[in-house]
Amino acid sequence: DGGITQSPKYLFRKEGQNVTLSCEQNLNHDAMYWYRQDPGQGLRLIYYSQIVNDFQKGDIAEGYSVSREKKESFPLTVTSAQKNPTAFYLCASSTQLSTEAFFGQGTRLTVV
Amino acid sequence: KQEVTQIPAALSVPEGENLVLNCSFTDSAIYNLQWFRQDPGKGLTSLLLIQSSQREQTSGRLNASLDKSSGRSTLYIAASQPGDSATYLCAVYGNDMRFGAGTRLTVKP
Repeated sequence: DGGITQSPKYLFRKEGQNVTLSCEQNLNHDAMYWYRQDPGQGLRLIYYSQIVNDFQKGDIAEGYSVSREKKESFPLTVTSAQKNPTAFYLCASSTQLSTEAFFGQGTRLTVV
Repeated sequence: KQEVTQIPAALSVPEGENLVLNCSFTDSAIYNLQWFRQDPGKGLTSLLLIQSSQREQTSGRLNASLDKSSGRSTLYIAASQPGDSATYLCAVYGNDMRFGAGTRLTVKP
């Protein structure tokens, strides 16, 4: 089955810890994105990548880091510098920027 | 920076009613506009994609229109059903992809 897989579905983080959210796609898409969604709000762009080994900051990149070493994978690390990390995180991909995007099922991160 | 607004924020209608959801955007230099559906705690499911050269797209009971010059798109849902209850999001494609806050739709049996 072609698609985007995010894991884990639920993640709990202690204060001061870094955690990494996984996003894998087998659609052969060049572009990948990470969004954050808070209750009652729309999606806010954290990072995006147009191609392997290249990525750009979105509107709320502070406290987050990404890598794009493989076309299929775009992991997001939530660092201890992110002061309010509890949210729903969504990964997406598209053939290239500004074309139809497909989303994973999301990871819900909770700080405990 | 592109700003995307969706009105209303929430809508409750009886089953069978036709309804319109609105999306407006501030920068008309867009490539595409896409409507998504999101069920609680889930990811986004694509409903319709309108390319900038198109004025509308239809899929079953859904029809989406795009007026780039006025910065508006509408999603028309015909003969609404309880299964249509969800949050509907519009995304505008420029140099990146920007979302509105969504319209939370409830269709009552």
